[in-house]
Order: sequence, then structure tokens, then C-alpha cells
Amino acid sequence: QKEVEQDPGPLSVPEGAIVSLNCTYSNSAFQYFMWYRQYSRKGPELLMYTYSSGNKEDGRFTAQVDKSSKYISLFIRDSQPSDSATYLCAMIDMDSNYQLIWGAGTKLIIKP
Amino acid sequence: DVKVTQSSRYLVKRTGEKVFLECVQDMDHENMFWYRQDPGLGLRLIYFSYDVKMKEKGDIPEGYSVSREKKERFSLILESASTNQTSMYLCASSRGTGNTGELFFGEGSRLTVL
Repeated sequence: QKEVEQDPGPLSVPEGAIVSLNCTYSNSAFQYFMWYRQYSRKGPELLMYTYSSGNKEDGRFTAQVDKSSKYISLFIRDSQPSDSATYLCAMIDMDSNYQLIWGAGTKLIIKP
Repeated sequence: DVKVTQSSRYLVKRTGEKVFLECVQDMDHENMFWYRQDPGLGLRLIYFSYDVKMKEKGDIPEGYSVSREKKERFSLILESASTNQTSMYLCASSRGTGNTGELFFGEGSRLTVL
């Protein structure tokens, strides 16, 4: 079993829909949760970064962390075709020299 | 604008050849990383470096070596390429000591080994 589980998709939704992307993890030593966005043929770029349980909002994006359930989510409101990309979750393992542990990534397609 | 530059976007090599992948960052970052990315497996850490001439093994170092002679440059070496090393290779850097979550990535080097 992987330490971080993420549905690879692809997830295809119409433009304007609300998108929910999720990751689950098994290790309570994982803290500092991140979402990276990776466009085709590009490297990943940091989208959102959060530590505590609860919600963090940035424009159309909301990152949600539930440490008790070991579950993180990224919500995209009013999705646009330009949001089409692969979204990777990542988290820091505090017990393993602060290593970054990655999800496999979810490919998101927003249809015009 | 911060930048991580990988020398080659696409390479095709033959089995047994030596392969050099070079990465340069212009942000004066202490930490540099090499990952490989394969479908369904996500990002896997090959090697990382916290400082010049320092290197640490990641999760999958077998078949690879690295060199960091200057702070801004981190090279990945495949001494004898094999077909199972066909992959996308991503270089990244970050500031500070230790590993932090905010990594800056290059655009990747897609290696095909025939």
C-alpha cells in the first residue's frame, strides 16, 4: 500500500463545474500539505501550501485538510479549460528527515 | 523570475551508453533534487543535495550517481543506461537547510533508452 493514495483519473468535467481532487495518507507523521499543478510537458509548480486542519482559500482554489481522517482535498470553483493539468498532492514526513512524499497525481480535463 | 534550467528536454540513448543530465538554478538555493516521473508512480526521488559536494541517496538511487561541484549546478549521471531508465527526469531546487515543501522544478528531460 502506498503511503499517499491519489486517484490517477483522468477526471473530465465541463467548464464551470466545481472540481474536487483528493488524497489520503496513512502516516500521522505527515505534516505540511501541498498541491502542485503540472501542465503537459512542464515541471510541477506549487499551487497551495497548508499546515493545519481546515480550509485555505486562494482565488478559485480551496485546500482542505482533515488530519483526523488523514484526508486532503483541493477544490476548484468555476473551472476553466486552462485548469486542465495533472494535480499532485505532496506532504512532508516529519519522521523521515522532512522528506517530501508524493501522490501519483490526478489528470484533470476541463471540457469547454 | 526564478528559474531551474535542465540542459536537454529530449534525449535518445542506446543501452550501455553514459548519460549526463545537467541542471542549473539561478536562485542561490542550497537544496537540489533529482526525481524521475513515471505514469502511475508519481515522483520518485533519486538523489538530493543540501550543499556543494554533498549528496544523499533518495528512494531509487541504484543505477544513478550525481555531482554537485558548484552551488547552482546539480548533475545526474547514468553510468550505463538501461531500458528501464526510460523516463521523465525532473530537477528541482529549494531554499534553506533541510527539506522544505516548496520546490522549484525545471521543465524536465525526457530520456528514451533503446
